[in-house]
Amino acid sequence: EAQVTQNPRYLITVTGKKLTVTCSQNMNHEYMSWYRQDPGLGLRQIYYSMNVEVTDKGDVPEGYKVSRKEKRNFPLILESPSPNQTSLYFCASSLWGGPNNEQFFGPGTRLTVL
Amino acid sequence: AQSVTQPDIHITVSEGASLELRCNYSYGATPYLFWYVQSPGQGLQLLLKYFSGDTLVQGIKGFEAEFKRSQSSFNLRKPSVHWSDAAEYFCAVGTNNNDMRFGAGTRLTVKP
Repeated sequence: EAQVTQNPRYLITVTGKKLTVTCSQNMNHEYMSWYRQDPGLGLRQIYYSMNVEVTDKGDVPEGYKVSRKEKRNFPLILESPSPNQTSLYFCASSLWGGPNNEQFFGPGTRLTVL
Repeated sequence: AQSVTQPDIHITVSEGASLELRCNYSYGATPYLFWYVQSPGQGLQLLLKYFSGDTLVQGIKGFEAEFKRSQSSFNLRKPSVHWSDAAEYFCAVGTNNNDMRFGAGTRLTVKP
């Protein structure tokens, strides 16, 4: 089944403890992206990747890192999480980058930083 | 800068009634417009998209949307709402910067 998977689905952590949220897609998509969803703000893009080893900042990149060493994986790294990073995170992928490509979304990761 | 506005945070309709969710965009070039639906606890699923051509587009689950350039709008409609349509709906615009801008979302409640 074609899908985007994220792990973990739920995570509670404490301020300053490094964490990684994994994202993997099995559709051979070039483009991958991370969003955070907050009430009243919709989805805001954190980082995106047009291809392996190519990443760019989205609208809200502060406090996050990403890497794209393989086409299928695009992990999101929080080196020193803070409470304002408590949010619902979505990974997405599409065949190519560009404005006219449908993005496929993972199921989301709910992160709480205490 | 590109942006999307969904003026209605929350809408309640009765089952069987018609639905229209509003979306306005701000984008200098030809927009690529999308509507996504998010059911509780789920990721986002594409309902429909508009790139060019016929301004009335049909999507899944009986939804349609009409692109009106003069009003910078891309409203989502359904003639008869089902209880399973209760969800949050997001309008989005694809940009030439390879990102996608989402509206804040409209939560739909369906009354029996």
